[in-house]
Amino acid sequence: EAQVTQNPRYLITVTGKKLTVTCSQNMNHEYMSWYRQDPGLGLRQIYYSMNVEVTDKGDVPEGYKVSRKEKRNFPLILESPSPNQTSLYFCASSLSRTANHRDTQYFGPGTRLTVL
Amino acid sequence: GQQLNQSPQSMFIQEGEDVSMNCTSSSIFNTWLWYKQDPGEGPVLLIALYKAGELTSNGRLTAQFGITRKDSFLNISASIPSDVGIYFCAGLGRRGSTLGRLYFGRGTQLTVWP
Repeated sequence: EAQVTQNPRYLITVTGKKLTVTCSQNMNHEYMSWYRQDPGLGLRQIYYSMNVEVTDKGDVPEGYKVSRKEKRNFPLILESPSPNQTSLYFCASSLSRTANHRDTQYFGPGTRLTVL
Repeated sequence: GQQLNQSPQSMFIQEGEDVSMNCTSSSIFNTWLWYKQDPGEGPVLLIALYKAGELTSNGRLTAQFGITRKDSFLNISASIPSDVGIYFCAGLGRRGSTLGRLYFGRGTQLTVWP
């Protein structure tokens, strides 16, 4: 089954304790991205990756890191989490990075992170 | 980032009623998308629009791509309880650093009373 998986689904942590949220897709997609969702703000892009070893900042990259060492995986790293990073996080992937359409993005189920 | 204004922010309707929501942008998009998010899930694509003026249906859902390419509308006819969720519009970036990136509206929370 084609899917995007994220782990963990839920995480409660404390300020300053490094954490990683994993994302994996089995569709051989080139393009992957991370979003955060906050009430009333919709989804905002954190980082994206056009292909292996190619990553770039989205609209809200501060406090986050990513890596793309393999095509299927795109982990999100919070080196020193803070309470304002409490949010719902989504990973997404699409076949390629185009403005053309049929390359719809598929979203993972989400990771709810609470930083105390 | 590019700003998409989505309205209304929330809707409370009776089962069987029709629903309309819209999205406007200060920028032109060549592709408009509408997603639905069920509680505890990630957004799922409902309808994609690729041409200005295009009107596309998916069951009880109808969406239109505005002719200015700066707006889009989603209508749901004869709503049912399972229509409950958050609906997001999104524009797909078309050039330069925005190429391939999705820009989302803030969402419309739909509640359907039986």
